[in-house]
Amino acid sequence: QITLKESGPTLVKPTQTLTLTCTFSGFSLFTSGVGVGWIRQPPGKALEWLALIYWDDDKRYSPSLKSRLTIKKDISKNQVVLTMTNMDPVDTATYYCAHSNMIQGVLPFFDYWGQGTLVSVSS
Amino acid sequence: QSALTQPRSVSGSPGQSVTISCTGTSSDIGGYNFVSWYQQHPGKAPKLMIFAVIERPSGVPDRFSGSKSGNTASLTISGLQAEDEADYYCCSYAGRFTPYVFGTGTKVTVL
Repeated sequence: QITLKESGPTLVKPTQTLTLTCTFSGFSLFTSGVGVGWIRQPPGKALEWLALIYWDDDKRYSPSLKSRLTIKKDISKNQVVLTMTNMDPVDTATYYCAHSNMIQGVLPFFDYWGQGTLVSVSS
Repeated sequence: QSALTQPRSVSGSPGQSVTISCTGTSSDIGGYNFVSWYQQHPGKAPKLMIFAVIERPSGVPDRFSGSKSGNTASLTISGLQAEDEADYYCCSYAGRFTPYVFGTGTKVTVL
């Protein structure tokens, strides 16, 4: 049974760096063909993909946020960590981590999602 | 990469069918057979309903079906039920360097 859970601060100040942790079970990021992504959703708005890390440590970032994002994995702890620098009130959102599985050589969808964590950015 | 375009809302009576469109470009929907659809109830995480345009994960009712033509994908809910009232998001694979682009979201209302 695959589960994921996000953790991190609920409130950050503008210009600070946000660090979120995704702790998962039921799969290993050591397994070929697996990935974990981060997706966010501002209140009342649409989903936005942020970053993805592959089992082989390859990484992908949203072009619009690439300069602010870093994604890392800790296989021994079954965790994926996302950092976002220079936080702004417009970054207020629920942040989700999600599992992806390879089909036909790509990871094209997210089949298991965490419950999400709401992060507010305010001074 | 711009968001995929969905209607803001669609509605239908119980038992009816509704179809949600999702329009992209030849760089995303039109270029790959990797459209997925997610259902999201208020305050809940998204749930995968369709992947690879037409495939349903185990446990998803066969009332949900997907299709694609050119740069537009569609999700059809047949035999609409009260529990289908939710927000729905499409998502397309968009290539090796920007793998995902989500849609703008559609609210489905069961009248």
